[in-house]
Amino acid sequence: QIQLVQSGPEVKKPGASMKVSCKASGYDFNIYGIAWVRQAPGQGLEWMGYISGYNGHTNSAQMFLDRVTMTTDTSSSTAYMEMRSLRSDDTAVYYCARRSTGPGYTLDVWGQGTSVTVSS
Amino acid sequence: QSVLTQPPSVSAAPGQKVTISCSGNTSNIGNNYVSWYHVLPGTAPKLLIYDNNRRPSGTPDRFSASKSGTSATLDIIGLQTGDEADYYCLTWDNSLSAAVFGGGTKLTVL
Repeated sequence: QIQLVQSGPEVKKPGASMKVSCKASGYDFNIYGIAWVRQAPGQGLEWMGYISGYNGHTNSAQMFLDRVTMTTDTSSSTAYMEMRSLRSDDTAVYYCARRSTGPGYTLDVWGQGTSVTVSS
Repeated sequence: QSVLTQPPSVSAAPGQKVTISCSGNTSNIGNNYVSWYHVLPGTAPKLLIYDNNRRPSGTPDRFSASKSGTSATLDIIGLQTGDEADYYCLTWDNSLSAAVFGGGTKLTVL
């Protein structure tokens, strides 16, 4: 079946970096893109950015432009999201989601989430 | 503070109907399609509605949505206790060149 499986939970110190992976299966990775969304404790969903599975083109929310890098490895159908200079307010669950084809911005398949805790 | 405004909470009794609104502007809802998601505690978001009013397979027909101008609405009829969750709208914002979520609405089934 179509699924996205993310890497496990991480605990990081302020100033460190993290890299979350998202392995896709059950569909052609090259046709769809992957969006990254996070949810801090007690907060709403926050769109971080998107990477095309076709050509690797990315676009990011303004607040993440200088700290987040999104990449893909098409040979393994895996997307990665790296965040640098972590702060305590980056503590959140990070999700990858497949953006479906079609006219709307629709995230139709979601990973299980990766919990990231940033604490000294 | 999200550019899409949702009520923080709504509530209704089992079997009743509830409406969740999502208000934006011409840069986002007014010129783009809207999708809706629900988030059960401790679980990943799940797509409920896409392209303003289309249900993916698996979404019960108790859920419906619409869009008019710069606002979108999610309706849930025949409420069940299992519908208790947080609900979010999502669309593209042309001015921000970014996707934006609403702030989320917590549904309580009394």
